[in-house]
Amino acid sequence: DAGVTQSPTHLIKTRGQHVTLRCSPISGHKSVSWYQQVLGQGPQFIFQYYEKEERGRGNFPDRFSARQFPNYSSELNVNALLLGDSALYLCASRTTPGQGDTGELFFGEGSRLTVL
Amino acid sequence: AQSVTQPDIHITVSEGASLELRCNYSYGATPYLFWYVQSPGQGLQLLLKYFSGDTLVQGIKGFEAEFKRSQSSFNLRKPSVHWSDAAEYFCALSGGSYIPTFGRGTSLIVHP
Repeated sequence: DAGVTQSPTHLIKTRGQHVTLRCSPISGHKSVSWYQQVLGQGPQFIFQYYEKEERGRGNFPDRFSARQFPNYSSELNVNALLLGDSALYLCASRTTPGQGDTGELFFGEGSRLTVL
Repeated sequence: AQSVTQPDIHITVSEGASLELRCNYSYGATPYLFWYVQSPGQGLQLLLKYFSGDTLVQGIKGFEAEFKRSQSSFNLRKPSVHWSDAAEYFCALSGGSYIPTFGRGTSLIVHP
């Protein structure tokens, strides 16, 4: 079975540009979360989506936005890129919230964003 | 508020030696606790998890962790480390929101 897939795996942007990152969850998983991992740090929560609705938002500026599609895949968008946005962006899916859910996440391999 | 502290940024052990990685948490009730491992350039893989019941939990790759409520700790252990265990290890806590909070990680270095 396919795990969580993310694209692109690597990308380079310049300051002020926009980026879109994509994620497909494990089949049957309806919840997707996005995390930012800066080098040397643990993952920081950005967004959680379930059934196409935002269910949680971390402490990130409005330049960060996301959405979830009817097939449960998701996009993370970042506008007006800053040098500090350089990071590994991780997508994770999980089982349906409320049905024995404990928050266990299944991660993709991430999208490495470099902002120059 | 919930938080996770991993006090050790780096741990160096010799291959075959035992290992203990520390994790302390702050949460007002019994949390769900996790240990994840991240190899270079990879995503995170779940090693083990604690929900309730037996406070000693077994995971993959020979790892185990013990939940100690009195010490607010969930330390990860392995009796004999292999060179392939070299990686970054993250402790995480999931409370009522079911949105995990991660520690900053501990980098494990294994000497031959």
